[in-house]
Amino acid sequence: DIQMTQSPSSLSASVGDRVTITCRASQSISSYLNWYQQKPGKAPKLLIYAASSLQSGVPSRFSGSGSGTDFTLTISSLQPEDFATYYCQQSYSTSITFGQGTRLEIK
Amino acid sequence: EVQLVESGGGLVKPGGSLRLSCAASGFTFSSYSMNWVRQAPGKGLEWVSSISSSSSYIYYADSVKGRFTISRDNAKNSLYLQMNSLRAEDTAVYYCARDSSVTTVTHWGQGTLVTVSS
Repeated sequence: DIQMTQSPSSLSASVGDRVTITCRASQSISSYLNWYQQKPGKAPKLLIYAASSLQSGVPSRFSGSGSGTDFTLTISSLQPEDFATYYCQQSYSTSITFGQGTRLEIK
Repeated sequence: EVQLVESGGGLVKPGGSLRLSCAASGFTFSSYSMNWVRQAPGKGLEWVSSISSSSSYIYYADSVKGRFTISRDNAKNSLYLQMNSLRAEDTAVYYCARDSSVTTVTHWGQGTLVTVSS
């Protein structure tokens, strides 16, 4: 299976900060990379698909980049509602795998 | 609006069986691949199984292969997961999730909790 490794595992930041989360695949996955946001007790929500495409209805402060094995999720100016856990996911393989998650907390 | 509603979760003893259901509405169910994804308490997301729109292609995570069976009934707009030989490590919230035309796992249900304990 393709392993997905996110860093950092947790992050403290303030409202208005610019934040970057990275995701590395154990082999090339082209651009078959999605990013999800999950809040406590809720289902995940798709933010970015195909590495850099913004899902409909998602604020433009979220952006994604990368291809091959290295990817980033950037939040340009953190808002209070952005404090959550973020997951990357690869769909290059029929055996889908997720990263371990990055918990974004308020500083 | 895409709606996915899971049911069938509950408490089951190790070695037991359970069948999860997912009722879909708000889209043409027969046109989309579907998935089950689970999340153990306090842990991350784990993909469990996928099924193509016509059931021609089915995939499982190694952790459930041989014990779980995914199926769908396009006439009833429903997705299922038959879980046999359940183990404590299968305890999780199980989400039903739909693919889109461009990527996987775009829409999620609210989840149903499965607890495997004696």
